[in-house]
Amino acid sequence: QVQLVQSGSELKKPGASVTLSCKASGYSFISYTINWMRRAPGQGLEWMGWINTNDGKATYAQDFTGRFVFSLDTSVNTAYLEISSLKMEDTGIYYCARGLNPADYWGQGTLVTVSP
Amino acid sequence: SYDLTQPLSVSVALGQTATISCGGKNIEKRNVHWIQQKSGQAPVLVLYKDVNRPSGIPERFSGSNSGNTALLTISRAEAGDEADYYCQVWDSSSYVVLGGGTKLTV
Repeated sequence: QVQLVQSGSELKKPGASVTLSCKASGYSFISYTINWMRRAPGQGLEWMGWINTNDGKATYAQDFTGRFVFSLDTSVNTAYLEISSLKMEDTGIYYCARGLNPADYWGQGTLVTVSP
Repeated sequence: SYDLTQPLSVSVALGQTATISCGGKNIEKRNVHWIQQKSGQAPVLVLYKDVNRPSGIPERFSGSNSGNTALLTISRAEAGDEADYYCQVWDSSSYVVLGGGTKLTV
């Protein structure tokens, strides 16, 4: 069965960096894009962008350029999200999801807390 | 950019029918997908391309899309349907567009 398993919770200080992972199984990894989305406290889901698992090309939503980097390791069917120069407003749950239109399978989410 | 508008909240009595709207310009020309997120859980796709249910989603969930409004209808509402619901479309400029989400209270 299709599964996306994400890495565990992270507690970071402002200015630090963090890398989250999303390991896919149960399907051909390179056949579907991987999306990243965020749910900040008290807010709705936000789409952050996607990465093409065939060529590694990343596309970022307007609010997620600069400090956010998507990457892949296709040898282990895993996508990564790196966030640098963390700010308190980066606090939230980050989800990976398979596919774009629609995103049909989702990871369980990774809680990132940014606190002094 | 393309915008989707959802009501902040919808309430429904147990066993009754809930309808959640998703407004967008000429949305009928787009495929609309609906995502459910229960408290503390990962999102789940409940409808895709307006009317299609993924495997495991009850028949109580149905959809329609006409004019400027798409609808998610939940028949015979159960306590377990309480969740935030998001509509989503694809746009050639904005790519993935999400509605603001609707909190369904049963």
